[in-house]
Amino acid sequence: KQEVTQIPAALSVPEGENLVLNCSFTDSAIYNLQWFRQDPGKGLTSLLLIQSSQREQTSGRLNASLDKSSGRSTLYIAASQPGDSATYLCAVTSGTYKYIFGTGTRLKVLA
Amino acid sequence: DAGVIQSPRHEVTEMGQEVTLRCKPISGHDYLFWYRQTMMRGLELLIYFNNNVPIDDSGMPEDRFSAKMPNASFSTLKIQPSEPRDSAVYFCASRARGFEAFFGQGTRLTVV
Repeated sequence: KQEVTQIPAALSVPEGENLVLNCSFTDSAIYNLQWFRQDPGKGLTSLLLIQSSQREQTSGRLNASLDKSSGRSTLYIAASQPGDSATYLCAVTSGTYKYIFGTGTRLKVLA
Repeated sequence: DAGVIQSPRHEVTEMGQEVTLRCKPISGHDYLFWYRQTMMRGLELLIYFNNNVPIDDSGMPEDRFSAKMPNASFSTLKIQPSEPRDSAVYFCASRARGFEAFFGQGTRLTVV
């Protein structure tokens, strides 16, 4: 059974810092992995999708990497801003194309 | 495309009543997922469909929950009878195989 864990559960950083969010999954036989952000009381917004054959994806200040063999992905946020404050979630697709979410990391960027 | 559309956005109902949540996926997407989100348990996958066929409903908590997808453009999640512990935000998502998933804005359900 695929299990997805995110560490840390919460993170508070000063504005301008570069930071790394972690996502671990127990079954390395995945099709792809997707990172989302969720603002309080809102739905989920897609950030990046990494296919199993890829090592990383970049979008603006965001860079996501994937190490399938070790069951890990990281989301790197460069030069963090208060507007980056949100909950970040990763989700993996595996098995019969089941889509399982991690526990999330609550990020707060202080001005 | 207007994205994944869920209705209603908010629902308040009394314990014991039937509740029906609705979802219209993005046109052309062949996978549809229903999730429940709570503070305690995070995002839980309830059931998902491929080409309108239920693939895995192992996340459906009890027989009180049922889901249907009568065609490619519509799905429902029904709770009958509802209980206070069903209070949560219910999300619907759709995707085409191999591509990113898109989520609706969710339905906030409160059972009193």
